[in-house]
Amino acid sequence: DQQVKQNSPSLSVQEGRISILNCDYTNSMFDYFLWYKKYPAEGPTFLISISSIKDKNEDGRFTVFLNKSAKHLSLHIVPSQPGDSAVYFCAARATGTYKYIFGTGTRLKVLA
Amino acid sequence: KAGVTQTPRYLIKTRGQQVTLSCSPISGHRSVSWYQQTPGQGLQFLFEYFSETQRNKGNFPGRFSGRQFSNSRSEMNVSTLELGDSALYLCASSLTGATEAFFGQGTRLTVV
Repeated sequence: DQQVKQNSPSLSVQEGRISILNCDYTNSMFDYFLWYKKYPAEGPTFLISISSIKDKNEDGRFTVFLNKSAKHLSLHIVPSQPGDSAVYFCAARATGTYKYIFGTGTRLKVLA
Repeated sequence: KAGVTQTPRYLIKTRGQQVTLSCSPISGHRSVSWYQQTPGQGLQFLFEYFSETQRNKGNFPGRFSGRQFSNSRSEMNVSTLELGDSALYLCASSLTGATEAFFGQGTRLTVV
């Protein structure tokens, strides 16, 4: 039972354009969400997080949007850069727990 | 500030053997989590420790165990290794377990 789903395994975007990565979840008890970026042979790098009491959080080129009614979150990267090419994971944590459930990742390729 | 350190980086073991992996969290972080990453499965939660106590456990067999020491360093043990245990094992630390977690580079375990 995949509680966190990233339905697009890959995405290609031109340099300078917007990258939009999507994530859906099924568990209404999730109250904290994160996005990570991962390069091959390295551990995931934390990018940005959002609590369920908010619907948007920004950090530089990265913005995360949360739509609780749709159980959907998205990560926007503007403008996209070639160095952003990596696998992106969304993760969610349920209230009262200390474990993160990860999606299967979306491979982003930013074309120069 | 030093990041999360995992040792060793690479390990080759034979079926039936046991293995111990080590994780040193970021200074001041008291929560340590372990994840297994395999192709196609994403990151699967193993367990989380806080102040030497396991607070959450994932759906892995009892061959997978862990512990945390008073200095917050953690070890993970896998006994009676199987070929399917070949994976990247990632450790993550956070201040309390309820905020963003920061990952180490992982230990690549190969079982032959």
